[in-house]
Amino acid sequence: EPEVTQTPSHQVTQMGQEVILRCVPISNHLYFYWYRQILGQKVEFLVSFYNNEISEKSEIFDDQFSVERPDGSNFTLKIRSTKLEDSAMYFCASRGETQYFGPGTRLLVL
Amino acid sequence: EDQVTQSPEALRLQEGESSSLNCSYTVSGLRGLFWYRQDPGKGPEFLFTLYSAGEEKEKERLKATLTKKESFLHITAPKPEDSATYLCAVRDSLRAGNQFYFGTGTSLTVIP
Repeated sequence: EPEVTQTPSHQVTQMGQEVILRCVPISNHLYFYWYRQILGQKVEFLVSFYNNEISEKSEIFDDQFSVERPDGSNFTLKIRSTKLEDSAMYFCASRGETQYFGPGTRLLVL
Repeated sequence: EDQVTQSPEALRLQEGESSSLNCSYTVSGLRGLFWYRQDPGKGPEFLFTLYSAGEEKEKERLKATLTKKESFLHITAPKPEDSATYLCAVRDSLRAGNQFYFGTGTSLTVIP
């Protein structure tokens, strides 16, 4: 069964450092998403991506965030200068008829 | 403004004790209501999509139903392996298209 994969599974970084989270969506899906979930809180939408451009973004997705689909398979989320409050689980999802989530990257900013 | 509200926040059931989880939503135009299961430290796992009032979907011990204001996830004769957080999400057709709005979830514990 096709699945969304994410790397790394865990990332620890120092405040102010840049991180790149990677995702491989399901191959025939056209819509891609990033979400985050702070421990104990709800899943929050960050951004959606379609046809090689951002189609929608939330208020959370400010200038420190960017997304890219550098080739035909990968979808990345870059956080330019991490803050303590960026510590969360980050989920990638892709959608055909249904939206499927990856296993997540746990980001810890120290 | 909360678009999706789930209740209860937490539910403890004895094995075999059936119950229902509620998801109330307020959207201008429903473009799909989605149920997911989330285990600790894992990504949400898709369960069901419902599109219109009156629609029902079933999978093993789970059955999802939809009205114009809410959805129920009925769990019949649950087992300990059904323990998880159950998330509800909606897409609003009158907002910018692609965003899914999630509720905070119901944490279900099934005691053997």
